[in-house]
Amino acid sequence: NAGVTQTPKFQVLKTGQSMTLQCAQDMNHNSMYWYRQDPGMGLRLIYYSASEGTTDKGEVPNGYNVSRLNKREFSLRLESAAPSQTSVYFCASSVDPGPSLLNEQFFGPGTRLTVL
Amino acid sequence: ILNVEQSPQSLHVQEGDSTNFTCSFPSSNFYALHWYRWETAKSPEALFVMTLNGDEKKKGRISATLNTKEGYSYLYIKGSQPEDSATYLCAFSSASKIIFGSGTRLSIRP
Repeated sequence: NAGVTQTPKFQVLKTGQSMTLQCAQDMNHNSMYWYRQDPGMGLRLIYYSASEGTTDKGEVPNGYNVSRLNKREFSLRLESAAPSQTSVYFCASSVDPGPSLLNEQFFGPGTRLTVL
Repeated sequence: ILNVEQSPQSLHVQEGDSTNFTCSFPSSNFYALHWYRWETAKSPEALFVMTLNGDEKKKGRISATLNTKEGYSYLYIKGSQPEDSATYLCAFSSASKIIFGSGTRLSIRP
């Protein structure tokens, strides 16, 4: 099992460019999550998908869109990147239909994004 | 506004010493409290998920307690080893939210 995979690992964008971060899990988990991690702050939830076919906003959704393509895949799109979106992005999944999680989350390796 | 606070922000401990740190969270709408261990250049990995007031969990030299009525959890590390150096995150889970603290960064001095 690969667990949770993310692509790309690193990306540099110019302000105004768009891109999609990909996430996939092979654990047959119900819920998937996108977080961003900034220095001095904890992980902040951007969007989540409690189950296939549903998506909901988290704490910091502005400037992002998501797609739960199927049970395995959950993508995060930046339509017009801004320097404030420079961050490390983590995808996670859980067997629970979250976010009221009674079971652990499994995290991907992260994507380091720089917006110039 | 839901807030999850962790203290201290950072901690330096001599190898072999025991240590503990705190996670404070809202005492209402509680579902679960998670602890994660996050090593540099890696992803967070789950240590414990606790759901009941008075829960105590243990994994090797690491243990955790939970008080949902007053809204705090303690993580204990007994006999710290260099491999315990990491950031320890807690996360509060309610019906509609999961909120992480900013972590306690633990460094073990050999």
